[in-house]
Amino acid sequence: GQNIDQPTEMTATEGAIVQINCTYQTSGFNGLFWYQQHAGEAPTFLSYNVLDGLEEKGRFSSFLSRSKGYSYLLLKELQMKDSASYLCAVRDYTDKLIFGTGTRLQVFP
Amino acid sequence: EAGVVQSPRYKIIEKKQPVAFWCNPISGHNTLYWYRQNLGQGPELLIRYENEEAVDDSQLPKDRFSAERLKGVDSTLKIQPAELGDSAVYLCASSLLLAGGNEQYFGPGTRLTVT
Repeated sequence: GQNIDQPTEMTATEGAIVQINCTYQTSGFNGLFWYQQHAGEAPTFLSYNVLDGLEEKGRFSSFLSRSKGYSYLLLKELQMKDSASYLCAVRDYTDKLIFGTGTRLQVFP
Repeated sequence: EAGVVQSPRYKIIEKKQPVAFWCNPISGHNTLYWYRQNLGQGPELLIRYENEEAVDDSQLPKDRFSAERLKGVDSTLKIQPAELGDSAVYLCASSLLLAGGNEQYFGPGTRLTVT
């Protein structure tokens, strides 16, 4: 079966660092994506990992361990505008994206 | 460059009525996706097109949902008749199918409310 788990909600303080975890069990693995979605808006692409290791892009980094079926998204120097849902999605062997339920992050001053 | 365009943005209909959504993908993107997103959930794929061909429609409820992508560009998604449980946001996305990380670009979605 297909299963992607991520925490439902997280809170953090402006300027802090937060790590959002994602574990997955899918029919094959062909890459993992992180998307950001503000309330009432479309998901926007943040990062893509297909090989093990850390991908850094500005304040955002994403890590992947294929053997553990595990990824995390790291957000540094949090800003109020980072309050959003963060969606973990795995591309399976049919090239289909399977999304988790998303983690709603609230950043407080 | 224009992003994925969807219309309408909002639609309220009574149950048993038909409804249609339209999507114009990013120019040059050969792959188009329709997703449904329920409140507090991630998007779920309904159908995927590569050019004009529907290559994955396994999760499309074919008794009431239909889709088409004539000429491999614009696409429409139709529900007839709508049910209360169809209330959701319907997202269209497009990508350029290449080896590697072909990210999907999402449109703003159509928020459907069935009363």
